[in-house]
Amino acid sequence: KNQVEQSPQSLIILEGKNCTLQCNYTVSPFSNLRWYKQDTGRGPVSLTIMTFSENTKSNGRYTATLDADTKQSSLHITASQLSDSASYICVVSYSRQGGSEKLVFGKGTKLTVNP
Amino acid sequence: DSGVTQTPKHLITATGQRVTLRCSPRSGDLSVYWYQQSLDQGLQFLIQYYNGEERAKGNILERFSAQQFPDLHSELNLSSLELGDSALYFCASSVRTSGRHEQFFGPGTRLTVL
Repeated sequence: KNQVEQSPQSLIILEGKNCTLQCNYTVSPFSNLRWYKQDTGRGPVSLTIMTFSENTKSNGRYTATLDADTKQSSLHITASQLSDSASYICVVSYSRQGGSEKLVFGKGTKLTVNP
Repeated sequence: DSGVTQTPKHLITATGQRVTLRCSPRSGDLSVYWYQQSLDQGLQFLIQYYNGEERAKGNILERFSAQQFPDLHSELNLSSLELGDSALYFCASSVRTSGRHEQFFGPGTRLTVL
């Protein structure tokens, strides 16, 4: 069964600290992996998209890693800011031949950054 | 601002009623996706349309239906509403049907069924 598991479920850190969020998946055949940031009550916004051959991708203070062998990804946030408080969603896509791309969403990690 | 618009922003209705949610994709995007997000749950894919045709179906109930019009806007119809249908409903759009493409999400419609 195609699944995406994220950990931790929630995380509280102090402003300025770093943190790492984890994503494990069993989606097959793998197409790409995305991290989204979702502010409370708003639509998700894409942070990174990585394909099979990409190990690391950065977007400002956000760095995503992908290990396609172990089917794990992480999102590292450096020097956190209050505005980083949000849910971070890991999404893995798969696409069977002739079919459209399908996405499998994790439940997200809720990050709270306190002053 | 993603360029995807959704109306209304909030909707409060009673059980048994029917509502219509509207989505306008980004200019040039042919694909529209609908998602449901219940409280503290992950996003659940409901259905995808591409250039007016249904392309993929997810966990969409029979009480729910959608369509995409010639101008590419889409509507999600929810009927015989139940308390459990209370959720955020998101629409997303992208320019391609497959391959590595990015989905841009709208701000969502919050549906409350009383």
